[in-house]
Amino acid sequence: GNSVTQMEGPVTLSEEAFLTINCTYTATGYPSLFWYVQYPGEGLQLLLKATKADDKGSNKGFEATYRKETTSFHLEKGSVQVSDSAVYFCALSVDSGTYKYIFGTGTRLKVLA
Amino acid sequence: ETGVTQSPTHLIKTRGQQVTLRCSSQSGHNTVSWYQQALGQGPQFIFQYYREEENGRGNFPPRFSGLQFPNYSSELNVNALELDDSALYLCASSKVGGNTEAFFGQGTRLTVV
Repeated sequence: GNSVTQMEGPVTLSEEAFLTINCTYTATGYPSLFWYVQYPGEGLQLLLKATKADDKGSNKGFEATYRKETTSFHLEKGSVQVSDSAVYFCALSVDSGTYKYIFGTGTRLKVLA
Repeated sequence: ETGVTQSPTHLIKTRGQQVTLRCSSQSGHNTVSWYQQALGQGPQFIFQYYREEENGRGNFPPRFSGLQFPNYSSELNVNALELDDSALYLCASSKVGGNTEAFFGQGTRLTVV
C-alpha cells in the first residue's frame, strides 16, 4: 500500500543551523509529494510541493527534491530561525481527482535562540 | 478570498453521543475532505465530497458520515462516539481541475469523555 515514513523528532537546533528532515515514501503510480507545516494550535499550511520526479519545491527558504530513484522527498533549509519551530508533515497523493493525502507521523522542530 | 473555516473550535462530548462538525470551503473551491488527527500523529483521511456526493473514503466505520451542501460547505457527523474519537478534525477544500494541493482549516478539537 501507500505510505510515508518520516524521521522521528523532536529535532532541536540552534538558530542559523542547517536543517534536514528525512521523508521516504511507498506508492503505486506517480504520486505528488508535499510538505505541510503545523504551528501550535493551528491547522496545516502547505509549505511546498512537487508533482513529478526531479521537481524541486521551494518556499520561505525551505527546499525538497522529488527523488524517484530513492523514493525520497527530504526537507532542507540552510539557516533555521526560531519562528520555524513547528511540526512538519510529509504527505503524498496518488489519486488524481481526489485529495486523499497520506501523511507521515510528523517531525517536531525546535529552534533555540 | 476567504480561507477554510471550521466550527466549533473545541467541544466536549460524552461517549455514546452524536456530534456534528462544520466547515466552510475556501471561495471558489468545490471539493471538501475531512481528516482525523490523533494527538502526536499525522492526519488520517476520512472521506471526500464532490458535487454533494462522497467520492473517496478512508478506513473509517459508517458511523462517520458527511454532507456537502450546494454552497460547498460541509458537515462531518459522528454517531455513537467512542473515547478513541477524541482528536483534531481537519477540513480541507480544493478545486477539481485546479492546483493539486488542498487548503486546510484550523480544525475542531473534539474530546470524548
